[in-house]
Amino acid sequence: DAEITQSPRHKITETGRQVTLACHQTWNHNNMFWYRQDLGHGLRLIHYSYGVQDTNKGEVSDGYSVSRSNTEDLPLTLESAASSQTSVYFCASSPVQGGELFFGEGSRLTVL
Amino acid sequence: GEDVEQSLFLSVREGDSSVINCTYTDSSSTYLYWYKQEPGAGLQLLTYIFSNMDMKQDQRLTVLLNKKDKHLSLRIADTQTGDSAIYFCAKTSGGGADGLTFGKGTHLIIQP
Repeated sequence: DAEITQSPRHKITETGRQVTLACHQTWNHNNMFWYRQDLGHGLRLIHYSYGVQDTNKGEVSDGYSVSRSNTEDLPLTLESAASSQTSVYFCASSPVQGGELFFGEGSRLTVL
Repeated sequence: GEDVEQSLFLSVREGDSSVINCTYTDSSSTYLYWYKQEPGAGLQLLTYIFSNMDMKQDQRLTVLLNKKDKHLSLRIADTQTGDSAIYFCAKTSGGGADGLTFGKGTHLIIQP
């Protein structure tokens, strides 16, 4: 079955370190998204991509970057992790723009 | 700013009906969605309604859309313990199809 997977599921890192969260989907969806989920804020869009070599900033993109070198993967990089980036991160994909999102299981990141 | 609003908590007795409400400010969305998030998991699409519909029923779920008041509701009949989760209202983000805008989520608590 097609799916979307995130790794690692849990990570603890230190302030200032670079961290990359992986997202891989096997549905061949063009559209991929990264959200962060925080208590009191719900889900907020970090970055998104409509296809290979396309990346766009979302609502809370500062301190994050993404790259899209193929259809299946959209890794999220924190160049210099900050404690404010402690959160649960969700990757999602969609076959059509504005349509249903299919979510991964989430990656819990703790920055000490 | 936030343009999808939900109450953060709803407590109901097992067997009763649950009604989760959502209001939004931008009426340009073609579809409006309800997602369910169980503990430790990603979001899964529960149901959706096309913007030109007033009501959609799917087994125990009833979605009502009042476009004039920009109000969306989800009714769960005969609420069970397995319905305990966070429920997110979502709509297409404005200015193009750059993902979905989510409310902060309503925690549904089931009392025995």
